[in-house]
Amino acid sequence: DSGVTQTPKHLITATGQRVTLRCSPRSGDLSVYWYQQSLDQGLQFLIQYYNGEERAKGNILERFSAQQFPDLHSELNLSSLELGDSALYFCASSVSGVADTQYFGPGTRLTVL
Amino acid sequence: GNSVTQMEGPVTLSEEAFLTINCTYTATGYPSLFWYVQYPGEGLQLLLKATKADDKGSNKGFEATYRKETTSFHLEKGSVQVSDSAVYFCASSDSGAGSYQLTFGKGTKLSVIP
Repeated sequence: DSGVTQTPKHLITATGQRVTLRCSPRSGDLSVYWYQQSLDQGLQFLIQYYNGEERAKGNILERFSAQQFPDLHSELNLSSLELGDSALYFCASSVSGVADTQYFGPGTRLTVL
Repeated sequence: GNSVTQMEGPVTLSEEAFLTINCTYTATGYPSLFWYVQYPGEGLQLLLKATKADDKGSNKGFEATYRKETTSFHLEKGSVQVSDSAVYFCASSDSGAGSYQLTFGKGTKLSVIP
């Protein structure tokens, strides 16, 4: 158990819908990262937050957004969902977000029908 | 940009065989290097890491050495077990990208048969 929690574990929804994925980092970690794992693209970095502020963006679509709250949990919002958004979404956390180890949550499997 | 290339799988080995999974990287700076493992139906677990050239990471019988001259971080284990069956990901973390996000290889699926 990494100490990073993600909810829900599975999510099934329809095209055009909006969903929210939640992540709670390890106790004491200030930085949260979101990654997408799909069969065709592999594991890709989406976005990073540090202590409530956005630090870096990767291959994140405009339909996707995220935020980190004062209690340091983070939410990833996916809207206008398409079939191709079906994937595993992982959250990772680290102490400072600067060259330290990232610990991953168990992931949320999103299926868009 | 940064990239990580690892050998294509799947790899099938008999129990107690020697394992090598090749990994090479490109980076603009001096990355930290990682191996993560993903067991079926689970998330990613850190297996080992190395933060500078010539460092050797090791854990659970697995080893990898950070080779700057060949930009490589090959994963090895002397005697694999059935319980090692999983997908292995090589990754780099480099501030040259503006953040310390991880860049992953495509993963290598290992199956160990009794």
